[in-house]
Amino acid sequence: EAQVTQNPRYLITVTGKKLTVTCSQNMNHEYMSWYRQDPGLGLRQIYYSMNVEVTDKGDVPEGYKVSRKEKRNFPLILESPSPNQTSLYFCASRRTGSNEQFFGPGTRLTVL
Amino acid sequence: GIQVEQSPPDLILQEGANSTLRCNFSDSVNNLQWFHQNPWGQLINLFYIPSGTKQNGRLSATTVATERYSLLYISSSQTTDSGVYFCAGTSGGSYIPTFGRGTSLIVHP
Repeated sequence: EAQVTQNPRYLITVTGKKLTVTCSQNMNHEYMSWYRQDPGLGLRQIYYSMNVEVTDKGDVPEGYKVSRKEKRNFPLILESPSPNQTSLYFCASRRTGSNEQFFGPGTRLTVL
Repeated sequence: GIQVEQSPPDLILQEGANSTLRCNFSDSVNNLQWFHQNPWGQLINLFYIPSGTKQNGRLSATTVATERYSLLYISSSQTTDSGVYFCAGTSGGSYIPTFGRGTSLIVHP
């Protein structure tokens, strides 16, 4: 089944404790991206990647890192999480040349 | 970046009713898309519609690019249509989409 998976789905952590949210897709898509969703703000893009080893900042990259060492994986790293990073996070992927994005199920992160 | 306004912010319907959701853009937009987020949080692509009209079952969308707006029509609404509908687009050569704040739809049986 074609899908985007994220782990964990839920995470409660404390300020300053490094964490990684994994994202993996099995559709051989070149383009992957991370969004955060906050009440009343819609979705905002954090980082995106056009292909392996190619990443770029989205609208709200501060406090986040990403890497794209393999085509299928695009982890989101929070080196020192803060409470304002409490949010619902979505990973998405699409094939280059297509505009249909496939979204992961979301990761609900709470930083205390 | 561009500003995206969606209206109405909230909509409550009785099953079987029709509705129109609107998305206005502050500037010319490329790659305009509509998404549905169901009550469980799952995001689904509905339409990629930079211009013109498309239909998929009970849903259809129209984008008038020259006037910077797009409409999503839901006919004969069902309870499974409940959720939040987002539009999003990019402008110029940007790869970063801007999302509207969404229209929250509740369809009662």
